[in-house]
Amino acid sequence: QKEVEQDPGPLSVPEGAIVSLNCTYSNSAFQYFMWYRQYSRKGPELLMYTYSSGNKEDGRFTAQVDKSSKYISLFIRDSQPSDSATYLCAMSRANTGNQFYFGTGTSLTVIP
Amino acid sequence: DVKVTQSSRYLVKRTGEKVFLECVQDMDHENMFWYRQDPGLGLRLIYFSYDVKMKEKGDIPEGYSVSREKKERFSLILESASTNQTSMYLCASSFRESQYFGPGTRLTVL
Repeated sequence: QKEVEQDPGPLSVPEGAIVSLNCTYSNSAFQYFMWYRQYSRKGPELLMYTYSSGNKEDGRFTAQVDKSSKYISLFIRDSQPSDSATYLCAMSRANTGNQFYFGTGTSLTVIP
Repeated sequence: DVKVTQSSRYLVKRTGEKVFLECVQDMDHENMFWYRQDPGLGLRLIYFSYDVKMKEKGDIPEGYSVSREKKERFSLILESASTNQTSMYLCASSFRESQYFGPGTRLTVL
């Protein structure tokens, strides 16, 4: 079993929709949870990170962590065509910055 | 602004050639990484380095080596390129929970 599971999609939504992207994990030691956005033929860019459980909001993006269910989510409100990308979740056990576990990514297309 | 650069965006090499991929970061980060990214397999860690001249094998180190002679520079070496090393190679550096990626090098081995 992979440590981090992510549905690859693809996910296709109309502009303005609320998007929900999710990952599950098996290691209860994970404490830090990150979301990356990767445009085609580019490197991933860090969108948001959260520590432990709870919600974090940044503009149209909300990251949610439920440690009891080992489940994390990224919500995108009022989705835009520019949000079309692959979204990767990532996790780590500590903030030493030397070991990260990635999901395989979910491909999202927002249709104008 | 955070910056990780990679020496080439696209590279085409022949089977058996020695290939060097270079990565430079300007954030004074201790940790640097090399990943490859393949469709359906996601990011797979090849090697990482936590200090100058220090390295640790990742999940798929076979066929690769690395070099870190200066803190800002981390090189990935394919000693004898093979067709199954055709992939997107991503370099990253990190500080605590934040990891920053370069633009990637798409390597094709013919």
